[in-house]
Amino acid sequence: GAGVSQTPSNKVTEKGKYVELRCDPISGHTALYWYRQSLGQGPEFLIYFQGTGAADDSGLPNDRFFAVRPEGSVSTLKIQRTERGDSAVYLCASSLLAGGIPNEQFFGPGTRLTVL
Amino acid sequence: DAKTTQPPSMDCAEGRAANLPCNHSTISGNEYVYWYRQIHSQGPQYIIHGLKNNETNEMASLIITEDRKSSTLILPHATLRDTAVYYCIVTWSGNTGKLIFGQGTTLQVKP
Repeated sequence: GAGVSQTPSNKVTEKGKYVELRCDPISGHTALYWYRQSLGQGPEFLIYFQGTGAADDSGLPNDRFFAVRPEGSVSTLKIQRTERGDSAVYLCASSLLAGGIPNEQFFGPGTRLTVL
Repeated sequence: DAKTTQPPSMDCAEGRAANLPCNHSTISGNEYVYWYRQIHSQGPQYIIHGLKNNETNEMASLIITEDRKSSTLILPHATLRDTAVYYCIVTWSGNTGKLIFGQGTTLQVKP
């Protein structure tokens, strides 16, 4: 079946611009996660949705980052006034239930964001 | 969530068993050990998890010591496609499910 998809696969933008990154989770998965991965590092948690609500946004680095999931399926990560330090691969994952056992999260291929 | 320590890199000959260690000496009683791997340019992939018993699935085996302070992921017959970064993660069942990744172990399988 279809896995988690993310669009675009690559995004190049200029410093100060606004970007949106999209995640299509696996159908029926109620939990959705965003992570950010810098070169040579492990993924870093950003935000978690249970259904439509952001249940844990403790990983968002600052108020330039915002994410929505209005219908409990597709999610969009929004970054305002991008900075060069925002350059990274942004990963989305979904799971059937949050915190369930097993906590098997299915990851998308990521969006590589480059801020010039 | 308990912190984990893994060697930064390991090599393994193709066809041989790859044994990847993980130290999690501060693990608490309700925390599980999970392993994910990330092949180059892909998102992480779930491998296996365990609480205190050894576990085996079609991908790997997980051996957890009796005191639960360390574990070993075993790939019984490593192939070139197993070359990846392997992450050991400790998390508890009541968590939101967010995963806290460390640096992982880069496993290089060589022909």
